[in-house]
Amino acid sequence: SQQGEEDPQALSIQEGENATMNCSYKTSINNLQWYRQNSGRGLVHLILIRSNEREKHSGRLRVTLDTSKKSSSLLITASRAADTASYFCATGGGSNYKLTFGKGTLLTVNP
Amino acid sequence: GAGVSQSPSNKVTEKGKDVELRCDPISGHTALYWYRQRLGQGLEFLIYFQGNSAPDKSGLPSDRFSAERTGESVSTLTIQRTQQEDSAVYLCASSKGQGRDTQYFGPGTRLTVL
Repeated sequence: SQQGEEDPQALSIQEGENATMNCSYKTSINNLQWYRQNSGRGLVHLILIRSNEREKHSGRLRVTLDTSKKSSSLLITASRAADTASYFCATGGGSNYKLTFGKGTLLTVNP
Repeated sequence: GAGVSQSPSNKVTEKGKDVELRCDPISGHTALYWYRQRLGQGLEFLIYFQGNSAPDKSGLPSDRFSAERTGESVSTLTIQRTQQEDSAVYLCASSKGQGRDTQYFGPGTRLTVL
């Protein structure tokens, strides 16, 4: 069963705009990770936020985590055409080795 | 190596044939994972290795699927008597250890069963 569910399923924006993607999950987690996937192939790890953290930054990425609402958001600021990809959230539980992925958000950044 | 590598990158096979997919994890990573991704879907967990043993095989879809790991390094995922429903991208990941470590993914093998 899928733990994380991304929202929206697809997002199309213009270059320079900000993109926000959301992820909701069902059970308790140790951490939540965001990955990017280009052209349906290998995943690139973007950022990991632990359950005791509320916000984390990495370059143009900002991730928030609200464990009371079981939700996370990924914000990409000043988007570029190269950001066009699918973005997935993945959660790990108590044992954590098994990541559970949502179906992803397809982001298209138009030049 | 610099990253996780997988081979072949693409595999087309006929229904009923056996296939072997290979994963070379990042050197020194003790944990290795296999996932499957069907078209337009998220990743499904298949199996996890810690060293050469597989504590969790719960994601393997049927007894046609098996995997092994040797030398705490290379892993092979074998699918016997392939079916069209096995068509997917098979992704391998490795991490330093189990638990809270980041998993680093390979480029995947796209399997097409005709």
